[in-house]
Amino acid sequence: DAGITQSPRHKVTETGTPVTLRCHQTENHRYMYWYRQDPGHGLRLIHYSYGVKDTDKGEVSDGYSVSRSKTEDFLLTLESATSSQTSVYFCAIRDSVSEKYFGPGTRLTVT
Amino acid sequence: QQQVKQSPQSLIVQKGGISIINCAYENTAFDYFPWYQQFPGKGPALLIAIRPDVSEKKEGRFTISFNKSAKQFSLHIMDSQPGDSATYFCAASTGYSTLTFGKGTMLLVSP
Repeated sequence: DAGITQSPRHKVTETGTPVTLRCHQTENHRYMYWYRQDPGHGLRLIHYSYGVKDTDKGEVSDGYSVSRSKTEDFLLTLESATSSQTSVYFCAIRDSVSEKYFGPGTRLTVT
Repeated sequence: QQQVKQSPQSLIVQKGGISIINCAYENTAFDYFPWYQQFPGKGPALLIAIRPDVSEKKEGRFTISFNKSAKQFSLHIMDSQPGDSATYFCAASTGYSTLTFGKGTMLLVSP
């Protein structure tokens, strides 16, 4: 998986609780992304980062925040989880020629 | 508004046959068109990509055909094998911008 790990790999949480997902890379790439994958919707971009402390919103950013304090780590936070945020979350990194590499994913269930 | 339309949603092909998945895009500024392959429980993996300066790119049994005037591109899998059974996503981007994904095609290659 091109030096990308995600943690946790599975999580079940209750509505209204905060949740943080972590993406860690060992490739030293500048760009990192968070996607969610849902049946019938494909992959949708939540947020991305183009450097330490530099982030921007994607198409489905409502209810999510991100932080990047180090090149290797990109955190996705659900401030108050809702059932609509039940999904599989993928982190991705991009190398210098636009190739994207995805992590193994985190399956999040909000009950 | 979906910017990359992918079809079909699902596809069943006999072993040894040709699998064809099509994508159409709207944004004429797109200049990078990758295909991703995803197995159950795994993250998407880059399969093959093309830029609009060529009409076809072949890597082993996988070929991308690109029609700039029609704003369409397709993935052809020759001599399809059961191991090719997976979900395939097309995508498009402009330069170093974020990727826009199609909704995916579930391919089943029957033995």
